[in-house]
Amino acid sequence: GESVGLHLPTLSVQEGDNSIINCAYSNSASDYFIWYKQESGKGPQFIIDIRSNMDKRQGQRVTVLLNKTVKHLSLQIAATQPGDSAVYFCAENIIAGGSYIPTFGRGTSLIVHP
Amino acid sequence: DGGITQSPKYLFRKEGQNVTLSCEQNLNHDAMYWYRQDPGQGLRLIYYSQIVNDFQKGDIAEGYSVSREKKESFPLTVTSAQKNPTAFYLCATMQRGFEKLFFGSGTQLSVL
Repeated sequence: GESVGLHLPTLSVQEGDNSIINCAYSNSASDYFIWYKQESGKGPQFIIDIRSNMDKRQGQRVTVLLNKTVKHLSLQIAATQPGDSAVYFCAENIIAGGSYIPTFGRGTSLIVHP
Repeated sequence: DGGITQSPKYLFRKEGQNVTLSCEQNLNHDAMYWYRQDPGQGLRLIYYSQIVNDFQKGDIAEGYSVSREKKESFPLTVTSAQKNPTAFYLCATMQRGFEKLFFGSGTQLSVL
């Protein structure tokens, strides 16, 4: 299940299940969105991206869905594995003064139980 | 992490002391960024730089300073004015025209 509170939102799943991680973004003018994965004690790594002219983009075992109407992103991970356990962040690239300013969501902790 | 080196991995600061976190990259990327990460929170932008000798404040720049004298280097100084410096600090780069960030492995700063 998923819990939200003072701690990081957490999603717990069984190995082999599909996982869905959700994210709300703030700026309706943002045109580029990215999902990053952060393992404990490391820097985030790029997973998948999507432009605002798309609704869906698929990678290897991952799919990102974009709903611009409600400013919502989701990351779907198929056949979740223990190695997928990490914190997942969505980011929107906001343009300010000609520069891209990646702005991050709070993150969701994914825990995969064997 | 490849190509972005942050040092040290762990750093301890005494009260009233300034400390400097190093970030070096060999990716030849134009833009560099510093983010702060607190437990249970997302990444918050401290400073960013698009070109050498130019940098801009992010959302939480107070108590921090940076320099960008070389393309490869973007050190962050945590000054004594930063009253709550304990956090995980992440340096990142971005190549112009490619909008994804590449991150270093981070520096954990703690107060003694």
